[in-house]
Amino acid sequence: QKEVEQNSGPLSVPEGAIASLNCTYSDRGSQSFFWYRQYSGKSPELIMFIYSNGDKEDGRFTAQLNKASQYVSLLIRDSQPSDSATYLCAVNMIKAAGNKLTFGGGTRVLVKP
Amino acid sequence: GAVVSQHPSRVICKSGTSVKIECRSLDFQATTMFWYRQFPKQSLMLMATSNEGSKATYEQGVEKDKFLINHASLTLSTLTVTSAHPEDSSFYICSASSPQTGWRDTQYFGPGTRLTVL
Repeated sequence: QKEVEQNSGPLSVPEGAIASLNCTYSDRGSQSFFWYRQYSGKSPELIMFIYSNGDKEDGRFTAQLNKASQYVSLLIRDSQPSDSATYLCAVNMIKAAGNKLTFGGGTRVLVKP
Repeated sequence: GAVVSQHPSRVICKSGTSVKIECRSLDFQATTMFWYRQFPKQSLMLMATSNEGSKATYEQGVEKDKFLINHASLTLSTLTVTSAHPEDSSFYICSASSPQTGWRDTQYFGPGTRLTVL
């Protein structure tokens, strides 16, 4: 079992719809959770982080964390073609030294006009 | 805020030469910097973690004598790929974190350096 797992996709979403991305992690003691967006050929950019159970909203993005079930999700509302990218889930596992993050393999999202 | 730069953005070199990549935090002091490598269509692979003024911690399988990391100040870390070979061709990305910015372990990424070794 990978430490941080994501469906590789591609997740195909019509423009204007909601894209739902999931991420599961193995370390129950994990503290912090991050979503990054990476366009092809570019470096990751931070979308948002979450550390408490529940929902956290930022613009069209909502992160949801459920520590009991060990999953974190990202919802993208009103998806736009510019949202087409790979979305990386990252977790700060309690067993990891320092501020090291463990990344999932990423989910590729395609928003079709 | 939380801007990280990298230089150069792209480099092409001959096999056997050394290449230095700089990573700078522009508007904050980075207590920790990280170096990643990413091959096409693969996820990020952490190479090493670097704290200012101390030796870098390398991930398993990463040759510390080949990938030299120096973190001389709170705003600058360098990665030197020594005696580069074609298999070292990759996208090298640094990130930086600091308690001053965002959540304590948030990493902000530089734009990356694409290395091609001929």
